[in-house]
Amino acid sequence: DAGVIQSPRHEVTEMGQEVTLRCKPISGHNSLFWYRQTMMRGLELLIYFNNNVPIDDSGMPEDRFSAKMPNASFSTLKIQPSEPRDSAVYFCASGRDDYGYTFGSGTRLTVV
Amino acid sequence: RKEVEQDPGPFNVPEGATVAFNCTYSNSASQSFFWYRQDCRKEPKLLMSVYSSGNEDGRFTAQLNRASQYISLLIRDSKLSDSATYLCVVNSNSGYALNFGKGTSLLVTP
Repeated sequence: DAGVIQSPRHEVTEMGQEVTLRCKPISGHNSLFWYRQTMMRGLELLIYFNNNVPIDDSGMPEDRFSAKMPNASFSTLKIQPSEPRDSAVYFCASGRDDYGYTFGSGTRLTVV
Repeated sequence: RKEVEQDPGPFNVPEGATVAFNCTYSNSASQSFFWYRQDCRKEPKLLMSVYSSGNEDGRFTAQLNRASQYISLLIRDSKLSDSATYLCVVNSNSGYALNFGKGTSLLVTP
């Protein structure tokens, strides 16, 4: 079991550029979550999918953020255009049913 | 009011000490409770689930008080390797997603 795989591990981009973060969940898990972590706000849920369907995107900060899950083995989180305040660590996590879930190693995003 | 609140610490304790962390949650309908551990610059990892009857895993004991909406984690005989941030986690209104506290920092010193 390779765990939840995220890419890239680090991303530095200029303000205004598009950023795409990728996630491969653990095979067999039916829920996928995107979180953002900052020192000030801690871990914030952005969006989650169940059986590839977005269930709750109320945590997505604004229209600049979008997430997709075209199949059970892949999800993307896109920010366009990126802003310096988007700098954070973005985690993807997957799980099954109501048990605690597994996080990927995260993508550390810096927008300059 | 934030859904999950924790004392941020830091808690500095000597090796061998017993330390307790507390957490309160606002959603009385919550059904699932967990403690996660996060090492510096790493992802959070599940430490243990928290059951109504209380549960123990080695040196770690978790308790849940539904009436007071309060969760605790007790670590006995602290090791240097226990140094980390401990996150209290409660399921959200929608049931599937989890809400995380901001974490309590623990530093165990020689």
